[in-house]
Amino acid sequence: QQKVQQSPESLIVPEGGMASLNCTSSDRNVDYFWWYRQHSGKSPKMLMSIFSNGEKEEGRFTVHLNKASLHTSLHIRDSQPSDSALYLCAARPGGYKVVFGSGTRLLVSP
Amino acid sequence: DTTVKQNPRYKLARVGKPVNLICSQTMNHDTMYWYQKKPNQAPKLLLFYYDKILNREADTFEKFQSSRPNNSFCSLYIGSAGLEYSAMYLCASSPDRGGGNTLYFGEGSRLIVV
Repeated sequence: QQKVQQSPESLIVPEGGMASLNCTSSDRNVDYFWWYRQHSGKSPKMLMSIFSNGEKEEGRFTVHLNKASLHTSLHIRDSQPSDSALYLCAARPGGYKVVFGSGTRLLVSP
Repeated sequence: DTTVKQNPRYKLARVGKPVNLICSQTMNHDTMYWYQKKPNQAPKLLLFYYDKILNREADTFEKFQSSRPNNSFCSLYIGSAGLEYSAMYLCASSPDRGGGNTLYFGEGSRLIVV
């Protein structure tokens, strides 16, 4: 399967701090990225999506995309304990197929 | 309502026995997906339906079958379960809106094969 690599595997940030998560695809056909958040015992829910070069901001969340390098990053400012979750990056390599990375586990410490 | 329901939530199966997992959605979504999720691994795409067209991944082609008798339901069938099938199985659906097909996930079916 197409590879979606996420880093770091885990991350601990203090409450109020900035969390930065990375994702890269090795498939040049990828044209769309999503970030999903999965709280423990729950199903993944879409957080943000991006398909154009540049930056997109929604509240405390900012996502960047560099299409040339197929790299996207998610930044969470003013992190809250409720942001503690598994963050999954997803990519679309064409059509309706959607593939995922293994995730970054974020822990926000009070 | 963006609810995707999966049944059963938990399944204990014997090696060599069949397993059938069910997924339903009432959002009239055109696309439905099945992923296999093991601890510390990426959700692995097994197959997806766009409308009635089934697309199976090459490396899981022979291991999983599926049917979609109508727009709302999709099943995942394992003919003969092996220990390696123990995992969480996630169903998702997505509307066809010409791009940015966000996936809506069910709560998952946890399969344990013994």
